[in-house]
Amino acid sequence: DQQVKQNSPSLSVQEGRISILNCDYTNSMFDYFLWYKKYPAEGPTFLISISSIKDKNEDGRFTVFLNKSAKHLSLHIVPSQPGDSAVYFCAAYDGGTSYGKLTFGQGTILTVHP
Amino acid sequence: KAGVTQTPRYLIKTRGQQVTLSCSPISGHRSVSWYQQTPGQGLQFLFEYFSETQRNKGNFPGRFSGRQFSNSRSEMNVSTLELGDSALYLCASRAGTSPNQPQHFGDGTRLSIL
Repeated sequence: DQQVKQNSPSLSVQEGRISILNCDYTNSMFDYFLWYKKYPAEGPTFLISISSIKDKNEDGRFTVFLNKSAKHLSLHIVPSQPGDSAVYFCAAYDGGTSYGKLTFGQGTILTVHP
Repeated sequence: KAGVTQTPRYLIKTRGQQVTLSCSPISGHRSVSWYQQTPGQGLQFLFEYFSETQRNKGNFPGRFSGRQFSNSRSEMNVSTLELGDSALYLCASRAGTSPNQPQHFGDGTRLSIL
């Protein structure tokens, strides 16, 4: 079963506007969440993370929001730039096992149009 | 600072053969994790090593194995290759074992089975 779900396979936005990528999870033991960006022919690059004891974390243009009761998190990119076009993965750590194992969503392809 | 280095970048093998993939982590990083990425299953955790010890293992058959050396470099081996083993194999390293130390990925080894 898929414990981390990114239900939107793709998202298209205009340069300068906000991009909102969503992620849902089912495992209540997940206690740390990360977002990665991936360009073709490259490995995933870490973007931003959030602990389950917080509901928001901000880093420059990137903000991650966590709603524990809804088991939902989102990544906001403001303003969006053409260079942000990539596949975005949501991932989670299960604190009950090992922090070496990331469980990934299927990814959302973001396209930012000039 | 040099990133995670994976060799080779591309490999072509035939069914029944075995293969060894190599990963050199970022200098100072002691934790190495391996992932398999396929179009159908997405990114799936294989195993994690820390200080030469396997700390966690994903749901893969015993044909998939790994090890870590004293210099933190890691190798993974797949024996009796099957067509379904065709995938991108990603290695990630991080300094320690806390969740706030994100995993940094290499660009992967693309394995094709004929």
